[in-house]
Amino acid sequence: DTGVSQNPRHKITKRGQNVTFRCDPISEHNRLYWYRQTLGQGPEFLTYFQNEAQLEKSRLLSDRFSAERPKGSFSTLEIQRTEQGDSAMYLCASSSRGGQGSDTQYFGPGTRLTVL
Amino acid sequence: AQSVTQLDSQVPVFEEAPVELRCNYSSSVSVYLFWYVQYPNQGLQLLLKYLSGSTLVKGINGFEAEFNKSQTSFHLRKPSVHISDTAEYFCAVTQGNSGYSTLTFGKGTMLLVSP
Repeated sequence: DTGVSQNPRHKITKRGQNVTFRCDPISEHNRLYWYRQTLGQGPEFLTYFQNEAQLEKSRLLSDRFSAERPKGSFSTLEIQRTEQGDSAMYLCASSSRGGQGSDTQYFGPGTRLTVL
Repeated sequence: AQSVTQLDSQVPVFEEAPVELRCNYSSSVSVYLFWYVQYPNQGLQLLLKYLSGSTLVKGINGFEAEFNKSQTSFHLRKPSVHISDTAEYFCAVTQGNSGYSTLTFGKGTMLLVSP
């Protein structure tokens, strides 16, 4: 169990550029979540995958945000035409269904995005 | 809809003193409750969780939390803190017994331990 990994750890970009972040979940986990955390706030949910299916994406912040998990393993989160308001920490979590229907999520280290 | 309120944005405490970080939640359905810790520029690490059973839950690093359904609270406690406990602590709730559930987080409490 090597934990959830995310790359890059930091990304600085200019407004209007596209960025893509990668998340590698814990290997046996079939569920994958993306969250966004802005300064002074708790993480807020963006989207959820079970295997390769994106089962919840209504909370993606705008149509500039998209996510994929093509083979049910790693996932990518893309932000097109970045804006300064997109500056935040983007967190990935993975889980598998546990006892009592529980779903304990384990988080990666995050990707900190700065939009200039 | 669920929500989480962490009543204190910062809690300063001296080393070896006890600490309690407060968390209240609202939900119309049964819930699971979690506490996560976040060190600077890092992701979230699970401290402990309540799913069912005993209302007193023990976690890592000497932390424990007590689920109180009547008061809709899940306060985090440690009898004696260490400098290394300085971090941000997040309380989170998710819907119990569902196929999947997203976490709803509070705004966090910064624990500041000084010598």
